[in-house]
Amino acid sequence: AQSVSQHNHHVILSEAASLELGCNYSYGGTVNLFWYVQYPGQHLQLLLKYFSGDPLVKGIKGFEAEFIKSKFSFNLRKPSVQWSDTAEYFCAVIPITFSGGYNKLIFGAGTRLAVHP
Amino acid sequence: DARVTQTPRHKVTEMGQEVTMRCQPILGHNTVFWYRQTMMQGLELLAYFRNRAPLDDSGMPKDRFSAEMPDATLATLKIQPSEPRDSAVYFCASGLGGTGANVLTFGAGSRLTVL
Repeated sequence: AQSVSQHNHHVILSEAASLELGCNYSYGGTVNLFWYVQYPGQHLQLLLKYFSGDPLVKGIKGFEAEFIKSKFSFNLRKPSVQWSDTAEYFCAVIPITFSGGYNKLIFGAGTRLAVHP
Repeated sequence: DARVTQTPRHKVTEMGQEVTMRCQPILGHNTVFWYRQTMMQGLELLAYFRNRAPLDDSGMPKDRFSAEMPDATLATLKIQPSEPRDSAVYFCASGLGGTGANVLTFGAGSRLTVL
């Protein structure tokens, strides 16, 4: 079955530290990739997405992610985090199938990031 | 900004009661998803509609849950009878469907507490 793994469940950083959150997926074909962010008490918002082209994707608020096809990975990065980045981050994948069925968005378990001032 | 609207935002009910959650997708979106979020299970897909037709409800407990789209502007998720283990935040999301490029917009969620 297709799945998404986020290796870090909780990450604690100080402001200005660099961030990298891991995401791996299990699907050998074409994928659409996403990172969503959920701030405390709020709904999920799209941070960035990858469909095709340049594997280094830039999103909002200084976040970026790199798609490495050979590693089935789509890690999220930010050079310098802020207290306001405290949130839960979800990696999500749509495995693209062409069999006539629909393409389901599969979420990872999420990573809770706490940034201390 | 176009939004997905969910009601109620919060619901506290007693075990055995019927609960109905409603979702108004973004105008023009033809796909609607219902997700449930809990601390233990994370985000679980409950149901998926495209052009109002249910395409996948394999993640939904069939004996007590039902999902419908009576028209293009309304999706409902009903639990009857509700149980304490149904306590969660239920998110509705809508998007433009197809074979990819499916960027979803999420609603604010309905937080359900079943006592």
